[in-house]
Amino acid sequence: AQSVTQLDSQVPVFEEAPVELRCNYSSSVSVYLFWYVQYPNQGLQLLLKYLSGSTLVKGINGFEAEFNKSQTSFHLRKPSVHISDTAEYFCAVSEGRGGGSNYKLTFGKGTLLTVNP
Amino acid sequence: NAGVTQTPKFHILKTGQSMTLQCAQDMNHGYLSWYRQDPGMGLRRIHYSVAAGITDKGEVPDGYNVSRSNTEDFPLRLESAAPSQTSVYFCASSYSLKVAKMSTDTQYFGPGTRLTVL
Repeated sequence: AQSVTQLDSQVPVFEEAPVELRCNYSSSVSVYLFWYVQYPNQGLQLLLKYLSGSTLVKGINGFEAEFNKSQTSFHLRKPSVHISDTAEYFCAVSEGRGGGSNYKLTFGKGTLLTVNP
Repeated sequence: NAGVTQTPKFHILKTGQSMTLQCAQDMNHGYLSWYRQDPGMGLRRIHYSVAAGITDKGEVPDGYNVSRSNTEDFPLRLESAAPSQTSVYFCASSYSLKVAKMSTDTQYFGPGTRLTVL
């Protein structure tokens, strides 16, 4: 069974500082990895995804993530954060394209990023 | 396109009452699903459907029913609400092989319904 661990429940940073949000997964098969962002009182929006190919994936709003198969990690990074990046970030994993036959997407518990002035 | 829409945005129920949460999408997506989001728990899938007329249970289906009579709509029914069902509910959609002969990996989420059961 697949699972996702987000190692930090909260990450406070100052504006313009770099940030890394950590995500580790476990699965017995090849996986596809995602980061979603949830702004306050809104739904989830896809930031970026890794399906195959280059292990460094670039997403929206200047975020990027690196897939590391040996360490089963998919950490999210941004070199300089803004106040507007304050949100909750969810790492998710699926087994197979479209989540396999049942489109299953397993989410981590989320990391609340708070950017302070 | 409006994308994925959900109604209502907020609702308060009393224990034992029934309610239907509405979800609609206008992207011709075959796959629709319901998730609940609870603090410190992430999102957990309740039920899903890969095409009209086909539904299946997710990871936390107890206390919920769904139906799928057409491509656009996927209502979630609580027959007898309990305080444990207090949560934020999200509907999500994507293409499915059964409808579009293709699948994508991006699931599109609605804005959510915040439900309180007293």
